Amino acid sequence: ETGVTQSPTHLIKTRGQQVTLRCSSQSGHNTVSWYQQALGQGPQFIFQYYREEENGRGNFPPRFSGLQFPNYSSELNVNALELDDSALYLCASSSRGHEEKLFFGSGTQLSVL
Amino acid sequence: SQQGEEDPQALSIQEGENATMNCSYKTSINNLQWYRQNSGRGLVHLILIRSNEREKHSGRLRVTLDTSKKSSSLLITASRAADTASYFCATAGDSSYKLIFGSGTRLLVRP
Repeated sequence: ETGVTQSPTHLIKTRGQQVTLRCSSQSGHNTVSWYQQALGQGPQFIFQYYREEENGRGNFPPRFSGLQFPNYSSELNVNALELDDSALYLCASSSRGHEEKLFFGSGTQLSVL
Repeated sequence: SQQGEEDPQALSIQEGENATMNCSYKTSINNLQWYRQNSGRGLVHLILIRSNEREKHSGRLRVTLDTSKKSSSLLITASRAADTASYFCATAGDSSYKLIFGSGTRLLVRP
């Protein structure tokens, strides 16, 4: 157990809808990263948040957005869902200065129909 | 896009045997890490090796890094059925906030 919790565990949406995924960081961790993992692939970096600011972004369109709250929890929002957005979404926390080692949650499995 | 490839894509061995997985990457790195994932859920950090290190051990795990060949290997000795999982290498460059993962090796350890 890493102490990183994600909700919900599973979600089914239809194309064009919007979705919000939530993540609570491990205690003492102030940095949150989000990854998308398609079936049979490795995770791909979406973005990272530190002190409520986006700290880096991968190759994802603007309809993928995020928030980090003062308690370091985080949300991933995806607008105008597409079928290819179906994937496992993983949240990972780390502490500043120790970003190298990530602690992952169990993920949210999103299915877009 | 993935940083590199892992080889083999799938590996099936008998309990007690050793398992070796290889990872190749494309760009210069600050460190390389190995993660384990059970049944498509969260990843668990196994071991980190820095670019100036050549070999590292942790319990039954041994990792090597060859920066001239841009490759790494993970050896699991005396494997157990509980080692059945997918194993991913991940590289970190100068922008340490971002990990780039390989495509993974699915390991099956038969009892």
